[in-house]
Amino acid sequence: KAGVTQTPRYLIKTRGQQVTLSCSPISGHRSVSWYQQTPGQGLQFLFEYFSETQRNKGNFPGRFSGRQFSNSRSEMNVSTLELGDSALYLCASSLAGEKNIQYFGAGTRLSVL
Amino acid sequence: GDSVTQMEGPVTLSEEAFLTINCTYTATGYPSLFWYVQYPGEGLQLLLKATKADDKGSNKGFEATYRKETTSFHLEKGSVQVSDSAVYFCALITGANSKLTFGKGITLSVRP
Repeated sequence: KAGVTQTPRYLIKTRGQQVTLSCSPISGHRSVSWYQQTPGQGLQFLFEYFSETQRNKGNFPGRFSGRQFSNSRSEMNVSTLELGDSALYLCASSLAGEKNIQYFGAGTRLSVL
Repeated sequence: GDSVTQMEGPVTLSEEAFLTINCTYTATGYPSLFWYVQYPGEGLQLLLKATKADDKGSNKGFEATYRKETTSFHLEKGSVQVSDSAVYFCALITGANSKLTFGKGITLSVRP
């Protein structure tokens, strides 16, 4: 069974640009969550999608957005990139979300110059 | 709000040494507790979990017991190997959501 797939693995952008990251969950998993990992702030929850609806949201500005498609694949978008957005962005999928085990992808490393 | 506190790192041990990584938590409600491990250049892998008081999670020689009275979930391994070198995160989930709250993580280095 394939794991969680995130693309691309690495991205380099400049300030002010926007970026879209993609996540394909494990087959049959309907919940997809996104996390930001930085050396200073650690792992922080961005949002969770379940059945194409955002079910939970962390404390990030509106520049961070996401969506989920009918096949459970998810994308997150960051607009007007800032230097502080440089991070590893991790996607996790689970069967139903409620206290179920979350399986993580390898992440997308975003560098903002 | 929910929070997880891990002991300060990094930790450096010799191969076959005993490992303890402390983790305590504050949570509203009754959390499920997890240990995740991150190897260099990779995402997070679930190491073990416990969903109720006195549960012991175990995997690959690692163990952790859910202690409600001390709000702790300390990770232990009797004999570490070089391949255990990684970053270890303690985490919890509460209530009807899937938001994982993580500790800051601790880097473990095991010397041959």
